Amino acid sequence: DTAVSQTPKYLVTQMGNDKSIKCEQNLGHDTMYWYKQDSKKFLKIMFSYNNKELIINETVPNRFSPKSPDKAHLNLHINSLELGDSAVYFCASSRSGFNPGELFFGEGSRLTVL
Amino acid sequence: SQELEQSPQSLIVQEGKNLTINCTSSKTLYGLYWYKQKYGEGLIFLMMLQKGGEEKSHEKITAKLDEKKQQSSLHITASQPSHAGIYLCGAGDNAGNMLTFGGGTRLMVKP
Repeated sequence: DTAVSQTPKYLVTQMGNDKSIKCEQNLGHDTMYWYKQDSKKFLKIMFSYNNKELIINETVPNRFSPKSPDKAHLNLHINSLELGDSAVYFCASSRSGFNPGELFFGEGSRLTVL
Repeated sequence: SQELEQSPQSLIVQEGKNLTINCTSSKTLYGLYWYKQKYGEGLIFLMMLQKGGEEKSHEKITAKLDEKKQQSSLHITASQPSHAGIYLCGAGDNAGNMLTFGGGTRLMVKP
């Protein structure tokens, strides 16, 4: 079983559309994250959820809205997509949000906005 | 905010050669993590260093933490094609949350 799974793996869409990326972890971890990796491979934290509570939100446009129905799931919804949103989005989880230790990453979801 | 600078940005080595990747932080380090990303895949955890002077090894990969210099180095001995990928260092802030990654070092190993 995949520890952290994301869907879809690839997503191609037009500017202005709304899309969602789903993430699930079966590790029993308390904390989940969304990271964005741009074309230059810079990896930046977007959100962190600890037991369904948002604990980090790093200057991300409010077009991006994370939703965590339970601690095993953290979905990312993006409204009014822009060209600059094209990137690979990684979901990750850790046992806790404090001194998280090892983060387990999903394989990434490559979003292309045309 | 904390910034992590990695050097070199890219590296091509002949199989069997040793190499070192460096990671320098702009602020005090509270835990330093090394990850490897294979092209087109997710990140795989390699090692975590928490104390100054700490050194850890996994197979042919060794990482050290110099807390005073706010630096960490990753050393690969007798490199193999399987070592190819992007190596990223990550660091937590003083609240204990892991927030920042370096820009990555792209390693290619020529057979």
